[in-house]
Amino acid sequence: DAKTTQPPSMDCAEGRAANLPCNHSTISGNEYVYWYRQIHSQGPQYIIHGLKNNETNEMASLIITEDRKSSTLILPHATLRDTAVYYCIVRVKGRNTGNQFYFGTGTSLTVIP
Amino acid sequence: DGGITQSPKYLFRKEGQNVTLSCEQNLNHDAMYWYRQDPGQGLRLIYYSQIVNDFQKGDIAEGYSVSREKKESFPLTVTSAQKNPTAFYLCASIGQETGRYEQYFGPGTRLTVT
Repeated sequence: DAKTTQPPSMDCAEGRAANLPCNHSTISGNEYVYWYRQIHSQGPQYIIHGLKNNETNEMASLIITEDRKSSTLILPHATLRDTAVYYCIVRVKGRNTGNQFYFGTGTSLTVIP
Repeated sequence: DGGITQSPKYLFRKEGQNVTLSCEQNLNHDAMYWYRQDPGQGLRLIYYSQIVNDFQKGDIAEGYSVSREKKESFPLTVTSAQKNPTAFYLCASIGQETGRYEQYFGPGTRLTVT
């Protein structure tokens, strides 16, 4: 079963905020939420991550609901260069097996001029 | 420049042949990962390694093998037992010093088997 579910595609007008949702209803208490983006045929790039508090960095904000079952990635002022596939990921740490990252199927964001 | 390199970028093989994909990092990271990506899909974990001479199977390890003899290198062999080997393969590493566990990805290798 997928650990995260995302809408397959979204559009956003240039200069407006892009809000990308993710459901992770089976997340456990010590599992982090990560967001990465991938521009066509390149390796994904880290955007932001969080556990239960909202987080903000120079690229984006991450809003995690109080029950942690869903989150939203916010790109405050989308530009054409933000057109990419955005992945919501859950990081699971095993007791002796290290960290595993479970990717969703991603949301293809198109920023429209 | 520090980073992860994967070679080659494109690889073509005939069915029934084993093929090894290269992944090298000079970031001094302990943990390394191999993922497979199919068109329109997310990344699926094949194998990962926390430390030299140690590795664990991911969700789709069947038909693949790895080794981790050096910290810098984590090659992936796609064997003839892998039923659908044509895919985009991505290697990543994570540094755990900061506690952020950010994955750094290589540029990927696109493997086509005919």
